[in-house]
Amino acid sequence: NAGVTQTPKFRVLKTGQSMTLLCAQDMNHEYMYWYRQDPGMGLRLIHYSVGEGTTAKGEVPDGYNVSRLKKQNFLLGLESAAPSQTSVYFCASSYRASGTYEQYFGPGTRLTVT
Amino acid sequence: AQSVTQLDSQVPVFEEAPVELRCNYSSSVSVYLFWYVQYPNQGLQLLLKYLSGSTLVESINGFEAEFNKSQTSFHLRKPSVHISDTAEYFCAVRHIQGAQKLVFGQGTRLTINP
Repeated sequence: NAGVTQTPKFRVLKTGQSMTLLCAQDMNHEYMYWYRQDPGMGLRLIHYSVGEGTTAKGEVPDGYNVSRLKKQNFLLGLESAAPSQTSVYFCASSYRASGTYEQYFGPGTRLTVT
Repeated sequence: AQSVTQLDSQVPVFEEAPVELRCNYSSSVSVYLFWYVQYPNQGLQLLLKYLSGSTLVESINGFEAEFNKSQTSFHLRKPSVHISDTAEYFCAVRHIQGAQKLVFGQGTRLTINP
């Protein structure tokens, strides 16, 4: 199993450009999450999904949109990139079952907005 | 709402010395507690977790953490560190119910010197 994969690994955008980050998992997990990691701030939740077709806002949702059209994929979109969105983005997934609590993380996408 | 404070942003230690990484949390409800590790240029991996029962939990690579409810702490310790333990360590909490959203601390960078 590949686990959680993210595409692309690196990207440089100019201010105002748009892009979509793709997260895919092959573990049949119900829950999926998008975090951003910034120095000295840990990881902060952007959006999450508890199932196909459903999404919800996390701690820092402004400037981002998400979609979960298929259970295995969770897309993060930036409609008009800003320098403040320069960060490392991590996707994670987990089972809904009450006996399992671990989130599995992807390798990350490093995004620079100039 | 929950919050997590990691009291040290960087901890340098010599190889084979003991180390303690401190984590305090704040929550008005019962939570589960986690330590994640991030090796250079990688995603996060679960190191250990406290869900219930014994307040001392251990990982397979010699780390342990103790849940102290009265002090709202979950400090991570290792009696003798190795060069391979060089990484960033994140403490996290989540509500025992709901969508399993994690709240992370700011991270502690552990550097092992030979």
